[in-house]
Amino acid sequence: DTAVSQTPKYLVTQMGNDKSIKCEQNLGHDTMYWYKQDSKKFLKIMFSYNNKELIINETVPNRFSPKSPDKAHLNLHINSLELGDSAVYFCASSLRERALYFGPGTRLLVL
Amino acid sequence: SQKIEQNSEALNIQEGKTATLTCNYTNYSPAYLQWYRQDPGRGPVFLLLIRENEKEKRKERLKVTFDTTLKQSLFHITASQPADSATYLCALDINYQLIWGAGTKLIIKP
Repeated sequence: DTAVSQTPKYLVTQMGNDKSIKCEQNLGHDTMYWYKQDSKKFLKIMFSYNNKELIINETVPNRFSPKSPDKAHLNLHINSLELGDSAVYFCASSLRERALYFGPGTRLLVL
Repeated sequence: SQKIEQNSEALNIQEGKTATLTCNYTNYSPAYLQWYRQDPGRGPVFLLLIRENEKEKRKERLKVTFDTTLKQSLFHITASQPADSATYLCALDINYQLIWGAGTKLIIKP
């Protein structure tokens, strides 16, 4: 079974649209994350969330919002998509040992 | 300014040799440092974590060193194999926030 899964794997959409990416982890981890990996391959944290606290990277536009229906899920909603949002988005989870377990990524292309 | 540097160019190593990747940082004081492997089209995979009070950590053919004075971590793969070809990322762990390097692409040639 996949430990951290994301859907969809590919997302092609027009500027101005609203889209969501879903993430689920079956590892029993208490913290989940969203990362953005740009064309230069830098990984940038967008959000981290556990059942107590949402930490937002202040550089992330408020068009991006995480939604967590339960501890195993952290979805990413993006409003009014822009060309610069094109990137690979990774969901990840972790527990006390600090190591992150990443999903396969969602490749977003905004046209 | 704060930054993390990994070899920006690809590292080509002959199969069977030891590959050594470098992670240098400035103006950080991480309590932990982590190494990940990323294959094309996939998410990063955790390899090793080393604490600031540990000089060296090993896992099978992998070895990581952490020199807080030099502000440097070295990642070694001994007896390298073509299957070790990937991009390797280092990440500084500062109060549970990971600060990532851009990664080094490692190519092991048969």
